[in-house]
Amino acid sequence: GENVEQHPSTLSVQEGDSAVIKCTYSDSASNYFPWYKQELGKGPQLIIDIRSNVGEKKDQRIAVTLNKTAKHFSLHITETQPEDSAVYFCAARLKLVFGAGTILRVKS
Amino acid sequence: GAVVSQHPSWVICKSGTSVKIECRSLDFQATTMFWYRQFPKQSLMLMATSNEGSKATYEQGVEKDKFLINHASLTLSTLTVTSAHPEDSSFYICSASSLVITRADTQYFGPGTRLTVL
Repeated sequence: GENVEQHPSTLSVQEGDSAVIKCTYSDSASNYFPWYKQELGKGPQLIIDIRSNVGEKKDQRIAVTLNKTAKHFSLHITETQPEDSAVYFCAARLKLVFGAGTILRVKS
Repeated sequence: GAVVSQHPSWVICKSGTSVKIECRSLDFQATTMFWYRQFPKQSLMLMATSNEGSKATYEQGVEKDKFLINHASLTLSTLTVTSAHPEDSSFYICSASSLVITRADTQYFGPGTRLTVL
């Protein structure tokens, strides 16, 4: 089955800096990779996703890159703001296999 | 659009009782609904996948007789935790996907239900 690894587990950045979270997956057949943001006590919220026929996708301050050969994909957040502080999860495939999560803390 | 609700948002029950959690897609018809469980400071673990009108498919290690899933309509799925025990205390989250509003692989998550079994 699919296995998704996520790094780092915790990331602290200064407001305005960029944050990068990386995930690797094992199943080369996986073709869909969403990123979710989860705030304390709430359900995950889809923030961006990418499919295997695309190498990069951007939405304002958020971007995702995919390297199918290396089987890894990354979330990039630029100009971070305090409200970006949350737990971020990557996932792979329709039957979503989640990474362990990354706690992002943006210090103002 | 693509809003998913859950009810209740939190519930406290005594050991041995059963608890029902509802998941509704408010503004779309969900082809498939998923149920996840999340323990504190851990990731989401898929429990089961259900399609309207058919039996749910449970993940390995999830007891189907303990976690009863009913997906009676395209907008409602229920999860019943039967004979709950303290170890069932967790954050239960549903998600829904739809072939109509987007490709089938996008899941929209509900806000979650916090279950505490005393």
